[in-house]
Amino acid sequence: GENVEQHPSTLSVQEGDSAVIKCTYSDSASNYFPWYKQELGKGPQLIIDIRSNVGEKKDQRIAVTLNKTAKHFSLHITETQPEDSAVYFCAASMKGYQKVTFGTGTKLQVIP
Amino acid sequence: GAGVSQSPSNKVTEKGKDVELRCDPISGHTALYWYRQSLGQGLEFLIYFQGNSAPDKSGLPSDRFSAERTGGSVSTLTIQRTQQEDSAVYLCASSSGQVGEAFFGQGTRLTVV
Repeated sequence: GENVEQHPSTLSVQEGDSAVIKCTYSDSASNYFPWYKQELGKGPQLIIDIRSNVGEKKDQRIAVTLNKTAKHFSLHITETQPEDSAVYFCAASMKGYQKVTFGTGTKLQVIP
Repeated sequence: GAGVSQSPSNKVTEKGKDVELRCDPISGHTALYWYRQSLGQGLEFLIYFQGNSAPDKSGLPSDRFSAERTGGSVSTLTIQRTQQEDSAVYLCASSSGQVGEAFFGQGTRLTVV
């Protein structure tokens, strides 16, 4: 089955700096890569996703990149703000009716 | 409802008792997942239902854990003879299955005393 590894497990940045979270996956058949943000006391929520037919996707201060050859994908948050503080999970799944496999999470702390 | 609903939101039970946790997925979603999240930890996969296919139970930690999904909709996660190490937040998620995006409920915080 699919295995997703995520690094780092914790990340502290100063407000206004950028944050990068990296993930690797094992199954070359995976073609959908979502990122989730979990705030304290809440369930994870999708913030951005990327499919295997593109290499990069941006949404305001958030961007994801995908390297299919290396089976790497990353989340980039620019101009970080205190409200970005949360746990972030990457995930991978295959097209169709396949389960989503999550990474182990990154706790991001943005220091004002 | 508009989102995934889980009940109860909090459950305190005595060691050795059985508990049932409920998940109401988004209407029409064919895929349903249960995860366990211990304090400050990641998402531990428990079980996955997809339509009428046999569920993927590979994540259930012991035979004390079971889950069912009736009518392709509501799911119940049952933990028998609860132990203190079962204390965690149990998260349910559903997806349409076609694109992989999963929507999570708020979770049930289980405390075994």
